[in-house]
Amino acid sequence: KNEVEQSPQNLTAQEGEFITINCSYSVGISALHWLQQHPGGGIVSLFMLSSGKKKHGRLIATINIQEKHSSLHITASHPRDSAVYICAARNYGGSQGNLIFGKGTKLSVKP
Amino acid sequence: GAGVSQSPSNKVTEKGKDVELRCDPISGHTALYWYRQSLGQGLEFLIYFQGNSAPDKSGLPSDRFSAERTGGSVSTLTIQRTQQEDSAVYLCASSYGGANQPQHFGDGTRLSIL
Repeated sequence: KNEVEQSPQNLTAQEGEFITINCSYSVGISALHWLQQHPGGGIVSLFMLSSGKKKHGRLIATINIQEKHSSLHITASHPRDSAVYICAARNYGGSQGNLIFGKGTKLSVKP
Repeated sequence: GAGVSQSPSNKVTEKGKDVELRCDPISGHTALYWYRQSLGQGLEFLIYFQGNSAPDKSGLPSDRFSAERTGGSVSTLTIQRTQQEDSAVYLCASSYGGANQPQHFGDGTRLSIL
């Protein structure tokens, strides 16, 4: 069993829909990252959080430390949101580069 | 401004050869990270540099892999005696020091071992 699990693996939505991507982890963490990998391969860091909730534009990330679970929400989804979304956990006590990655959720938003 | 620059963007080499991959981080970023993404696999951590501290090498998969960072800036990842399982996209990222700084990723080097 992977230490970081994402669901769903694939997600297809219609433009405008509310999207939720889930990430569960089994290790103690000091931070959790959400990354976006575009179809061309480029990776962008979306959020890094260790508690609570963060919002940036139409993106919202939440984390529940007790339940070892994080979610990434996209409101009013758009075709340009189509990408692979990856969560990554930083092991408690590990260096800030030593991340354990989920396998990603491939999102496709249809117009 | 300039982002993280990696070179070459593509590298094809024969099994058994040595390869060097280069990463030019964003100016002023003291932290530098190397990751690898194999086909069908997720990302995996390789090595992390922070300033003048000893690097975290715990993700390097074998002693054929090494990395250095000269002058706190440019980094080179070297793979000796390449094997077919080394084929992957090698990604470099950099950030300012401090645990809460976002990482900025390069476009990666796609390495193919024949």
